Amino acid sequence: AQKITQTQPGMFVQEKEAVTLDCTYDTSDPSYGLFWYKQPSSGEMIFLIYQGSYDQQNATEGRYSLNFQKARKSANLVISASQLGDSAMYFCAMREGPRNFNKFYFGSGTKLNVKP
Amino acid sequence: DAGVTQSPTHLIKTRGQQVTLRCSPKSGHDTVSWYQQALGQGPQFIFQYYEEEERQRGNFPDRFSGHQFPNYSSELNVNALLLGDSALYLCASSRTGGKTNSPLHFGNGTRLTVT
Repeated sequence: AQKITQTQPGMFVQEKEAVTLDCTYDTSDPSYGLFWYKQPSSGEMIFLIYQGSYDQQNATEGRYSLNFQKARKSANLVISASQLGDSAMYFCAMREGPRNFNKFYFGSGTKLNVKP
Repeated sequence: DAGVTQSPTHLIKTRGQQVTLRCSPKSGHDTVSWYQQALGQGPQFIFQYYEEEERQRGNFPDRFSGHQFPNYSSELNVNALLLGDSALYLCASSRTGGKTNSPLHFGNGTRLTVT
């Protein structure tokens, strides 16, 4: 089974609108971390936001927030007030347990296009 | 504060050849991981190096090997290149003992094309 599933290959959003990018995960480890990265066409992976499995509240970082539904095993990224510079690939990733600190599982990504 | 740097940025090789990719971790980081990102897919974990030893390995054949130097920089070697090895190779670094919410820091990658 896929560890991380992103079901939206591409999304369009109007500038200044909010958009939600979906991510579901699969793990039996009670301790895990969920990350979202942005990848512009330059190739660099830019870290956006983190949610730990034991965190009680949804993570927020500026315009980014994470809608964490543990029972559903989903960790959707919400981008508020979209900007043209938000156009990029977005990847959801998971780290399982403390022993796999550097082994991330990535989804297949969602290509976001922000329209003026 | 220098981030993760990779070289070269692009590389074209012929099937059957060998290639070496290089990575310098972010300042203060001592662990390096390598990922392969095929076109249209997410990155896949190849292996991780810490204290000059391979510590974890993903589902990649032995044609993929690596090395870490005393200054924490790392090399990824791929032997007997196949067309399917064409991908963006990303290097990521971290600091041992980092907090659980510490992300991996990635370089811009090396785009390898095998013809």
